[in-house]
Amino acid sequence: DQQVKQNSPSLSVQEGRISILNCDYTNSMFDYFLWYKKYPAEGPTFLISISSIKDKNEDGRFTVFLNKSAKHLSLHIVPSQPGDSAVYFCAASLTNQGGKLIFGQGTELSVKP
Amino acid sequence: KAGVTQTPRYLIKTRGQQVTLSCSPISGHRSVSWYQQTPGQGLQFLFEYFSETQRNKGNFPGRFSGRQFSNSRSEMNVSTLELGDSALYLCASSSDYSNTGELFFGEGSRLTVL
Repeated sequence: DQQVKQNSPSLSVQEGRISILNCDYTNSMFDYFLWYKKYPAEGPTFLISISSIKDKNEDGRFTVFLNKSAKHLSLHIVPSQPGDSAVYFCAASLTNQGGKLIFGQGTELSVKP
Repeated sequence: KAGVTQTPRYLIKTRGQQVTLSCSPISGHRSVSWYQQTPGQGLQFLFEYFSETQRNKGNFPGRFSGRQFSNSRSEMNVSTLELGDSALYLCASSSDYSNTGELFFGEGSRLTVL
């Protein structure tokens, strides 16, 4: 049972435009949602998170939107840069589950110059 | 502050063998989690250790085991290796005081089973 899903395995965007990465989840008990970025041969690095009581969180070029009624979150990158090309994972956490995150399958973003 | 360190970075084993992977967390982090990444499967949670005790466990067979030492360093072991165990094994540490679930990952140990 895939509790967190990223239905688009890949996304290609032109430099300077907006990148929108999507994620759906099934468990309404998730407390936090996180986005991680992963380059080849490196471990995932934390990008941005959002609490389930918020609907938006912004950090520089990155904004995460949460729609609880639709059980959907999205990551917006504006403007997109070639260095943003990587695999993006969304993840969800539950209270008192410590280091256990439920990850989606990832979306490979390619930003073309 | 040094990051999460995993050793070895790459290794090749044959079916039936066993393997031990090591992870040193960020200084001061007492929680260590292990994840398996395979193509198309994302990252799947294996287990988490906190203060030398297994706190959470994922849905993996008993061939996958781990432990944590008093200095928070952790090891995971896979016995009787199968071809399907070929994957990137990632270790992550976290602070006791994080309420967001943020994990800090190492670069991983890439295991190839022949």
